[in-house]
Amino acid sequence: ILNVEQSPQSLHVQEGDSTNFTCSFPSSNFYALHWYRWETAKSPEALFVMTLNGDEKKKGRISATLNTKEGYSYLYIKGSQPEDSATYLCAPWGSARQLTFGSGTQLTVLP
Amino acid sequence: EAGVTQFPSHSVIEKGQTVTLRCDPISGHDNLYWYRRVMGKEIKFLLHFVKESKQDESGMPNNRFLAERTGGTYSTLKVQPAELEDSGVYFCASSQGRGNTEAFFGQGTRLTVV
Repeated sequence: ILNVEQSPQSLHVQEGDSTNFTCSFPSSNFYALHWYRWETAKSPEALFVMTLNGDEKKKGRISATLNTKEGYSYLYIKGSQPEDSATYLCAPWGSARQLTFGSGTQLTVLP
Repeated sequence: EAGVTQFPSHSVIEKGQTVTLRCDPISGHDNLYWYRRVMGKEIKFLLHFVKESKQDESGMPNNRFLAERTGGTYSTLKVQPAELEDSGVYFCASSQGRGNTEAFFGQGTRLTVV
């Protein structure tokens, strides 16, 4: 079972602030890294799937980078809005051939 | 295109009873996963189907849990007999490929065992 760590556990920012969180995972037997956004009372929704070292993906104000050699990924949100409030989950896919979810970073954007 | 659907959305049962959860994946998705989230903790893997075959069921907590995927279409997860610690939200997800394609999640079934 992969040991996936996400930090911080929770985060409060003001509207308009930029923020970032970290996902750490074992770098061996790595195949892909998924980021999901999970709003309360809804189901997790995929943001990005990254496979290559140095990969950088962007969707609107949200972007992510991947370092497979050292086993981490960063998720960035530029100019946070209240609607960005959610739990952000990362999940590596490794030799176990399953998504192993971290405990998530709970983001609250205050208006 | 319909997304992943799960039924029921909520279920409250007594300890010792049986409950069956159902998941209809996105049409054409060979991969189907079951996950659960217990008491606000992280989402834990239960098992993975590729078509009708169980690819990995290492996350199934014990033999009170039985999953099937008839004909490689919908899947059921039966808990018999249910225990208090089985309470949680059970998610189903499906994907077309393997690790390099995103998984689409259903809305989840909230199971409460009293």
